[in-house]
Amino acid sequence: DVKVTQSSRYLVKRTGEKVFLECVQDMDHENMFWYRQDPGLGLRLIYFSYDVKMKEKGDIPEGYSVSREKKERFSLILESASTNQTSMYLCASSFGTPNTGELFFGEGSRLTVL
Amino acid sequence: AQKVTQAQTEISVVEKEDVTLDCVYETRDTTYYLFWYKQPPSGELVFLIRRNSFDEQNEISGRYSWNFQKSTSSFNFTITASQVVDSAVYFCALSPPFSGASKIIFGSGTRLSIRP
Repeated sequence: DVKVTQSSRYLVKRTGEKVFLECVQDMDHENMFWYRQDPGLGLRLIYFSYDVKMKEKGDIPEGYSVSREKKERFSLILESASTNQTSMYLCASSFGTPNTGELFFGEGSRLTVL
Repeated sequence: AQKVTQAQTEISVVEKEDVTLDCVYETRDTTYYLFWYKQPPSGELVFLIRRNSFDEQNEISGRYSWNFQKSTSSFNFTITASQVVDSAVYFCALSPPFSGASKIIFGSGTRLSIRP
């Protein structure tokens, strides 16, 4: 069974803290993605990566960075967390070829910044 | 600009009723993909269907069916004889051609509650 695993389901952090969200996939997918989900806004793409050490900005990259040192792992970093980054964060992966556009998602990490 | 609109924020029906989730999209592309994803309470979005804009045939999979109408830019999803396990948030999404998953645009989602 295909699997995307996010390291933490729930996190509570304080304003200004550095936050790491980890995501691992076991499907040998080339592409990996970080989305943010907020009520009424659907899913918005933060960053994606199509290869190791490669990254591309999505629609809302401000305040975030990412790291992809290994094919199976994609990390989202909040350098200095702020209250407006309280949200549900979803990691996803997909094949590079064939490029069907189908995404495989993790269960999400709900982050609260106080 | 590309856009996906799911006007129904929340729907609640009694078990065994049929329910239709609406999706209207905007795009200037002549070819594109449309998707439906389901997000159960566990949080993990699950892919349900992908439709190529060239293929306007309706699709049926068990109790699920999808109605794609290019003339009205709609891709509606119907659940027949709903069950409690169908309770979830459903997302419609649009992707331009040949760009893969990085350009998928999601609607805001419809929360479906099925009451026993």
